[in-house]
Amino acid sequence: DAGVIQSPRHEVTEMGQEVTLRCKPISGHNSLFWYRQTMMRGLELLIYFNNNVPIDDSGMPEDRFSAKMPNASFSTLKIQPSEPRDSAVYFCASSRTTGSSGNTIYFGEGSWLTVV
Amino acid sequence: QQPVQSPQAVILREGEDAVINCSSSKALYSVHWYRQKHGEAPVFLMILLKGGEQKGHEKISASFNEKKQQSSLYLTASQLSYSGTYFCGYHPGAGSYQLTFGKGTKLSVIP
Repeated sequence: DAGVIQSPRHEVTEMGQEVTLRCKPISGHNSLFWYRQTMMRGLELLIYFNNNVPIDDSGMPEDRFSAKMPNASFSTLKIQPSEPRDSAVYFCASSRTTGSSGNTIYFGEGSWLTVV
Repeated sequence: QQPVQSPQAVILREGEDAVINCSSSKALYSVHWYRQKHGEAPVFLMILLKGGEQKGHEKISASFNEKKQQSSLYLTASQLSYSGTYFCGYHPGAGSYQLTFGKGTKLSVIP
């Protein structure tokens, strides 16, 4: 089975540019998560969707960040304008929620973003 | 609020044992353990639900004490392949699907 697919794997961009990260969750999974990983903060949850609806976006750092999930098989995380402090690894993850909290979350391989 | 993991880092020789602890100030519904190798995605190891159940995966096992809001990961007879950063994550409650992760414990196994 294909896992969570993210693109691009690596992105280097200049400050002020727009960055769009893409994610295809595992087929049949109805929850999707965007995490950011840095040395200082570890793995932070930015936003999560359940059945394509944003449930909790309290982790989104500021208005420069936005996320969409137009259908069950695609999500984007956009940063506009980007800043050097946004440099991090951005992970997309998905799970199949079953009404309990025992669901396993599967991570994509991450998008390594460097803003110069 | 992030769970607190200890130790932050540990170095083992092959064959030695280690324990990684995870504690939370919030009530835990379930605890998940992941391992991440450098440059790769976190990979699921195991999940523990309320009830103090102990689970195992290869020579790695874990326990969950929901009264103390703590979980521990036990690595027995460590192998070089165990090297990586171990994260615990928790669900705060039923119907909540996101995981909040600790900052990780870096484990290095040397020959």
